[in-house]
Amino acid sequence: GIQVEQSPPDLILQEGANSTLRCNFSDSVNNLQWFHQNPWGQLINLFYIPSGTKQNGRLSATTVATERYSLLYISSSQTTDSGVYFCAVGFGNEKLTFGTGTRLTIIP
Amino acid sequence: DAGVTQSPTHLIKTRGQHVTLRCSPISGHKSVSWYQQVLGQGPQFIFQYYEKEERGRGNFPDRFSARQFPNYSSELNVNALLLGDSALYLCAVGSMNTEAFFGQGTRLTVV
Repeated sequence: GIQVEQSPPDLILQEGANSTLRCNFSDSVNNLQWFHQNPWGQLINLFYIPSGTKQNGRLSATTVATERYSLLYISSSQTTDSGVYFCAVGFGNEKLTFGTGTRLTIIP
Repeated sequence: DAGVTQSPTHLIKTRGQHVTLRCSPISGHKSVSWYQQVLGQGPQFIFQYYEKEERGRGNFPDRFSARQFPNYSSELNVNALLLGDSALYLCAVGSMNTEAFFGQGTRLTVV
């Protein structure tokens, strides 16, 4: 099956800093999503981005499908950005394969 | 709006018992998937149902089963609970090759 690797596994930043989270995947996909998991376990949709670039406020994402990676950018980090960020990919049958996540901690 | 509600939110069971978890998609979503997330890991796929038919099954033992009802709600059943079944169980809705939306999850603790 598809393998998904996320890096870095942990990231600690000062409030106001920018960050880049990476997701590498091992095979072709036609579904790629970024999620933020809050402390209560809810997976919050950030981007549905099987290819191309999208922006939503301080967050943006880019997927280069031909090179099998996606990047999530967070600018001007806030403490509320803390949490675990997951990349999930899928192809055809809708099953999503998740990476192991990046735990982001923003220090005031 | 997550598009799906799950119940219960928390549950404590004893080893060997049986548990039923429920998922109710918002009207219009015909596909339901179940995922298990153990502490420190990403969610792992358990089952997918579409129009009441099983479309996919992950690498889980036969103690895990699921079904989907005519109103597209779904149940996940786990028999003979083990300590290792303690996890957050997530239900997702979405159509083929489009964005998936997850419920808030059911946190199961097996003691």
